[in-house]
Amino acid sequence: DSGVTQTPKHLITATGQRVTLRCSPRSGDLSVYWYQQSLDQGLQFLIHYYNGEERAKGNILERFSAQQFPDLHSELNLSSLELGDSALYFCASSVEGGVYEQYFGPGTRLTVT
Amino acid sequence: GENVEQHPSTLSVQEGDSAVIKCTYSDSASNYFPWYKQELGKGPQLIIDIRSNVGEKKDQRIAVTLNKTAKHFSLHITETQPEDSAVYFCAARKTSYDKVIFGPGTSLSVIP
Repeated sequence: DSGVTQTPKHLITATGQRVTLRCSPRSGDLSVYWYQQSLDQGLQFLIHYYNGEERAKGNILERFSAQQFPDLHSELNLSSLELGDSALYFCASSVEGGVYEQYFGPGTRLTVT
Repeated sequence: GENVEQHPSTLSVQEGDSAVIKCTYSDSASNYFPWYKQELGKGPQLIIDIRSNVGEKKDQRIAVTLNKTAKHFSLHITETQPEDSAVYFCAARKTSYDKVIFGPGTSLSVIP
């Protein structure tokens, strides 16, 4: 158990809908990262937040957005969902300030029908 | 753009043999290289990492080597066991706040 929690574990929704994925980092970790894992794209970095501020952006679609709250949990919002958005979504956390290790949560499996 | 290549994509070894997975990265400014193991239905788990000021690091049966000049790094697993069977990802990163680029993964099967 990495100490990172993600909810829900599974999510099934229809095209055009909007969903919110939630991540709670390990105790003491200030950074949260979001990744998308699909069969044909591998692990793709989406976005990184540090202590409430966006730090880096990867291949995140405009239909996707994220935020990190004062209690350091993070949410990834996916809107206007398409079939191709079906994937595993992972968050990871780390303690910054020179420490690089990222610890991954168990993931949320999103299925868009 | 930034890219991490990983080979082989699948690897099958007999229990007790060694396994080697190789990665190359494109951005010479990368300075942190973690390796992750992902078992079916689980999130990636950090197994070892190496920073750019070190050429080799070992942790029990796992070792990682880094050649910054050639922009190569490799994972070596000795005395493989069936529980080593998983997908392994290499990754590269520039700074604490930069994005992490993952390789496409290697599916390792250890045959008892």
